[in-house]
Amino acid sequence: DTELTQSPSSLSASVGDRVTITCRASQSIGMYINWYQHKFGKVPKVLISTALNLQSGVPSRFSGSATETSATLTINGVQPEDSATYYCQHTFLAPYSFGQGTKVEIK
Amino acid sequence: QVELVQSGGGVVQPGGSLRLSCEASGFSLTSYGMDWVRQAPGKGLEWVAFIRHDAVYTPHSDAVKGRFAISRDVAKSTVFLQMDNLDPDDTAVYYCAKRKGTSTTAAWDQWGQGVLVTVSS
Repeated sequence: DTELTQSPSSLSASVGDRVTITCRASQSIGMYINWYQHKFGKVPKVLISTALNLQSGVPSRFSGSATETSATLTINGVQPEDSATYYCQHTFLAPYSFGQGTKVEIK
Repeated sequence: QVELVQSGGGVVQPGGSLRLSCEASGFSLTSYGMDWVRQAPGKGLEWVAFIRHDAVYTPHSDAVKGRFAISRDVAKSTVFLQMDNLDPDDTAVYYCAKRKGTSTTAAWDQWGQGVLVTVSS
């Protein structure tokens, strides 16, 4: 089974900062990493699929990059509405595990 | 318009059973994979089970294997999660989620509203 280790577990950023969240896989998972944003009381929302693909309607300040065993979510110019928990998740092979999540607070 | 409407949550005693439903509209279950995902109080998201578009492949997480079963009724456009021998650790908000296509590597692009399952005596 593939485990995903996400870091940091939380961070605090000011409006306009660049935020980077990393997800490392215990084995090669190709580019089959997805990123979700989960706000309290809402359903999760996909931001990036297959490591690089920005989903329709997602602001362009969000971007993704990856290697065979790691992926990065970057928010260039974080906004107040980006306050949420972010999860990486792989769809390489079942079980389709999640990272532990990164709670992003906007100062 | 794609929509997933969930039902079936509630309070159940340890060892009891519950069946969750996820009614899909705006698309056919024969063209998209579907999953169940849960979030325990104060915890992160946890994948539970998947049913491929052809219903032939239905993996479950180790935490629920042998106790939970995912299935579907195409005529009713509904996906189910039968949960047996429930444990307090199964207490969580359960979401159904639609894959972006037939591939098992597809991400989720639509979610149900979530239902709370509480396992307590």
